[in-house]
Amino acid sequence: KAGVTQTPRYLIKTRGQQVTLSCSPISGHRSVSWYQQTPGQGLQFLFEYFSETQRNKGNFPGRFSGRQFSNSRSEMNVSTLELGDSALYLCASSFGSVGYNEQFFGPGTRLTVL
Amino acid sequence: AQSVTQLGSHVSVSEGALVLLRCNYSSSVPPYLFWYVQYPNQGLQLLLKYTSAATLVKGINGFEAEFKKSETSFHLTKPSAHMSDAAEYFCAVSIQGAQKLVFGQGTRLTINP
Repeated sequence: KAGVTQTPRYLIKTRGQQVTLSCSPISGHRSVSWYQQTPGQGLQFLFEYFSETQRNKGNFPGRFSGRQFSNSRSEMNVSTLELGDSALYLCASSFGSVGYNEQFFGPGTRLTVL
Repeated sequence: AQSVTQLGSHVSVSEGALVLLRCNYSSSVPPYLFWYVQYPNQGLQLLLKYTSAATLVKGINGFEAEFKKSETSFHLTKPSAHMSDAAEYFCAVSIQGAQKLVFGQGTRLTINP
């Protein structure tokens, strides 16, 4: 069974631009969560989608948004990029949307904002 | 709100020695607890999880953890360290009804030959 895939793996943008990251979950998984990983703040939850609905949201500004499609694939968008948005963005999928479901992580997309 | 504290951002042990990585959690409701490992330039891999069944949980690669409610701890151990265990380890908590992991700051494990 294929794992979680994220595209692109690396991305370089400049301040003020916007970016879209993509995540394809494991087949059969309906929940997709996004996390931001930085050296200073560590791993922080962005949001979770289940059956095309946002179920949970972290404490990030409105510039960070996401969506999920009917095939469970998910995209994350960051508008008006800031230097501080440079991070590794991790996507995780799970079968269900309850706290004990194991989340399977993708390799991440490393975003660099110049 | 839930939170996780990992004691020690860096831990160094000799090959063959005991590995002990500490994790304390805070949760107002029964938590689910996880340990993940991250190798350089990779995503996170689940080592083990506690979901209110047995308090001693065995995971992959010889790791295990014990849930101690009275101490609000979920420390990760491995009897004998191997060079391939060098990585960053994250403890995380979630609660029923919320597919949201709250992570600790991570512990970088170094194995000395």
